[in-house]
Amino acid sequence: NAGVTQTPKFQVLKTGQSMTLQCAQDMNHNSMYWYRQDPGMGLRLIYYSASEGTTDKGEVPNGYNVSRLNKREFSLRLESAAPSQTSVYFCASSEHPQARLGSPLHFGNGTRLTVT
Amino acid sequence: DQQVKQNSPSLSVQEGRISILNCDYTNSMFDYFLWYKKYPAEGPTFLISISSIKDKNEDGRFTVFLNKSAKHLSLHIVPSQPGDSAVYFCAANAGGTSYGKLTFGQGTILTVHP
Repeated sequence: NAGVTQTPKFQVLKTGQSMTLQCAQDMNHNSMYWYRQDPGMGLRLIYYSASEGTTDKGEVPNGYNVSRLNKREFSLRLESAAPSQTSVYFCASSEHPQARLGSPLHFGNGTRLTVT
Repeated sequence: DQQVKQNSPSLSVQEGRISILNCDYTNSMFDYFLWYKKYPAEGPTFLISISSIKDKNEDGRFTVFLNKSAKHLSLHIVPSQPGDSAVYFCAANAGGTSYGKLTFGQGTILTVHP
């Protein structure tokens, strides 16, 4: 049972390059999320998709775009990478969009991105 | 503005003793709180949660306490084990249209010594 799978695990980009982070979940969850983790900042929400066909901005969406390709897959794209986007990126999924329904987030193992 | 704060970056405890991790929040709209545990090179994993209608929730060795008037929650681990050594994040959700959006604290590194 893979849960949430993220690819790649590591990536180094030069400033201005673009790339797409891939995420897939096999738990038939409705909602998916992208977070970034920076030292001393905890995890911050970039974008989320409450259900297939919908996406919305989180706390730090600037410089990113997302695509909810189908129920399983939710990708994060950096169109023109900047050093400030150096971070660890986590994808997550949940059965329901509302945490209070006892539906915690299930996280992938992260993508460590460095932008030089 | 950090709406969820974990003011202790690290905590060191002896095996068998109690670990107490603290978390403060400022947004009075938060009404659901969660704790996640994270090992190096892995994603956070859900540990325990509490709704604002409760002041305590227990699951085995883990108990979360919520003090709404003080806007404070704590996670108690009794007894602590070396395998509990990890980073612990508290997180909060405001409900309504905030959906599954969680606001996380900065994390506390727990080290349990044998």
